[in-house]
Amino acid sequence: EAGVTQFPSHSVIEKGQTVTLRCDPISGHDNLYWYRRVMGKEIKFLLHFVKESKQDESGMPNNRFLAERTGGTYSTLKVQPAELEDSGVYFCASSQSGTDDGYTFGSGTRLTVV
Amino acid sequence: AQSVAQPEDQVNVAEGNPLTVKCTYSVSGNPYLFWYVQYPNRGLQFLLKYITGDNLVKGSYGFEAEFNKSQTSFHLKKPSALVSDSALYFCAVSVYTGGFKTIFGAGTRLFVKA
Repeated sequence: EAGVTQFPSHSVIEKGQTVTLRCDPISGHDNLYWYRRVMGKEIKFLLHFVKESKQDESGMPNNRFLAERTGGTYSTLKVQPAELEDSGVYFCASSQSGTDDGYTFGSGTRLTVV
Repeated sequence: AQSVAQPEDQVNVAEGNPLTVKCTYSVSGNPYLFWYVQYPNRGLQFLLKYITGDNLVKGSYGFEAEFNKSQTSFHLKKPSALVSDSALYFCAVSVYTGGFKTIFGAGTRLFVKA
């Protein structure tokens, strides 16, 4: 089966610009998660979708971040306007049951804001 | 606050020697515990998990981990390291806070020298 796919793999943008990250989960996985790892630090939870609904968005840093999952398939994470501290690797993960079978992660999008 | 600690940024071992990557956690309730591995330019891969039962769990690539409730630890081990084991390892804990949420440690980089 195809894994979790993230696009783009790398993005370099200027402060103030907009960037949209995309995640295609494994087909049939209702649970989709966004995480972020800032350089050398822990991977931090951003939000969790169950199908098209936001189950938990407590990790979203501020209102410059907007996540959507139209139709319960792929998800996008938009950062607008981007700030320097938004730089990091953004991981998407999906799972079928939600927790106890582990997640399948994408390879991440490395975002650099200059 | 709920947290996961990986006290070592880096672990160096010689090929053929046993390896241990440490993880301790601080959460309320009964946690689900996981180890993930990230190889260069790849997403995180699930290695193993502890949900309940035998404290010693075995996972992929010959890795195992021991759950120690009194010490709140879940150290990752392998009897004989391979150069190909060199990667970034993340410990993670899933907790229920009205919905399951997974908390990651900061990661430990493992270098196995030939």
